[in-house]
Amino acid sequence: QKEVEQNSGPLSVPEGAIASLNCTYSDRGSQSFFWYRQYSGKSPELIMFIYSNGDKEDGRFTAQLNKASQYVSLLIRDSQPSDSATYLCAVTPNQAGTALIFGKGTTLSVSS
Amino acid sequence: DTAVSQTPKYLVTQMGNDKSIKCEQNLGHDTMYWYKQDSKKFLKIMFSYNNKELIINETVPNRFSPKSPDKAHLNLHINSLELGDSAVYFCASSQRWRRETQYFGPGTRLLVL
Repeated sequence: QKEVEQNSGPLSVPEGAIASLNCTYSDRGSQSFFWYRQYSGKSPELIMFIYSNGDKEDGRFTAQLNKASQYVSLLIRDSQPSDSATYLCAVTPNQAGTALIFGKGTTLSVSS
Repeated sequence: DTAVSQTPKYLVTQMGNDKSIKCEQNLGHDTMYWYKQDSKKFLKIMFSYNNKELIINETVPNRFSPKSPDKAHLNLHINSLELGDSAVYFCASSQRWRRETQYFGPGTRLLVL
C-alpha cells in the first residue's frame, strides 16, 4: 500500500515567521509531487508542484524534494494569517493505474 | 467561468435513496476524477476516467457507479445510500493522465440521514 505521511498538526506560527511543512512517501519510484492548500469548507487548490530533486521557489513558497530520503517539504516565508489552512501533500507513485495519493494534511495556523 | 463545476453543492437525503452528482469541466482536459473526503479530511481517489475510459476503480462499493458521457462530463450515481456515504465528494480534472496537475471542483457535501 503506497502511503504519504504528514504530521496532522496543528502547526502554529506567528505572522512573519517561516512555516515548514513536511511530507514523506513510501514509494521510492514516485514521480511527481504536489502541494495543495485547502481552506475550511473549500476545495483543494494547487500551490506548487516539483518533479526533480532540489528546491523550487514561487513567491513566498519553496518546495524541496529529496528523493533519496523520500521527503518533500513546503516552506512558507513571511507567513500571513491568510495562509492558515490545511496543506495536502500529494504524490504520483510509480505504479500503473494509479493517480495521486494524498496525505492527510497538516493544519497551519498563523497568528497575527 | 468556473473551470470544474459540480451539482448539487449540498445533498441531504435518507438512507436507501439513490442520488446522482454531476461534474463538468470546461478546461478541455482529457482526464477526470472523483474523490471522497471523509470527516477526518482524508482525500481518497474513487474513480478516474481518461478520454471517457475508466482507468481507476478503487475499492469502492458497487453501489457507486461513475459514468462519463463525454470528456467534459463525469457523473457519479450512488444507489442505496448508507450513513457512511456521508462525506464531501470532489470532482477533479487534469490535462492528461498521471503527472499532470489536478484542478478540483467546489465539492458536493452529501449528508445521509
